[in-house]
Amino acid sequence: SQQGEEDPQALSIQEGENATMNCSYKTSINNLQWYRQNSGRGLVHLILIRSNEREKHSGRLRVTLDTSKKSSSLLITASRAADTASYFCATESNNDMRFGAGTRLTVKP
Amino acid sequence: SQTIHQWPATLVQPVGSPLSLECTVEGTSNPNLYWYRQAAGRGLQLLFYSVGIGQISSEVPQNLSASRPQDRQFILSSKKLLLSDSGFYLCAWSQAGAQPQHFGDGTRLSIL
Repeated sequence: SQQGEEDPQALSIQEGENATMNCSYKTSINNLQWYRQNSGRGLVHLILIRSNEREKHSGRLRVTLDTSKKSSSLLITASRAADTASYFCATESNNDMRFGAGTRLTVKP
Repeated sequence: SQTIHQWPATLVQPVGSPLSLECTVEGTSNPNLYWYRQAAGRGLQLLFYSVGIGQISSEVPQNLSASRPQDRQFILSSKKLLLSDSGFYLCAWSQAGAQPQHFGDGTRLSIL
């Protein structure tokens, strides 16, 4: 069963704009991860944030975690057409990892 | 470096036929192994995971089964496929007791 829920389900932006995706979950977690999936391919791990961390950066990616609100956000800055993909959050608790349904991001050139 | 291989990439099978999907990992030992199914435009549903040879945990009761005959080999099987078994099947591995998971490129299974 799914734990995280991404919002929005789909997002369309112009190249150069920032993209923000949100993830909400219901139970306590050890960490939260974001993955990317190009159409018809496997998932690729982007970033992991632990429950005692509030913010993490990796290149153009910025992830925040608010455990009091049980939510996380993924910000992609200065988006590129190559960022077009589906983005999934996954929550890990007691070695049990659950994925959300994903946000489909389209970046128009 | 570690790599994961999953095959075939696509498969078309008739209803009632058997299934065998294979996944192998290279460059690591004693990994946790996972089989997921993804419906079109949806998230991942965990089907099976394994923490060691011969150790299989099932998340969803169905007509699929999994086996781990070797440390880095994970096989998804069915004796008789149903139409509802169509989907995108993904294999993944992780270091035992740690995350994240690393995915293969998936198998697109179509049941006719």
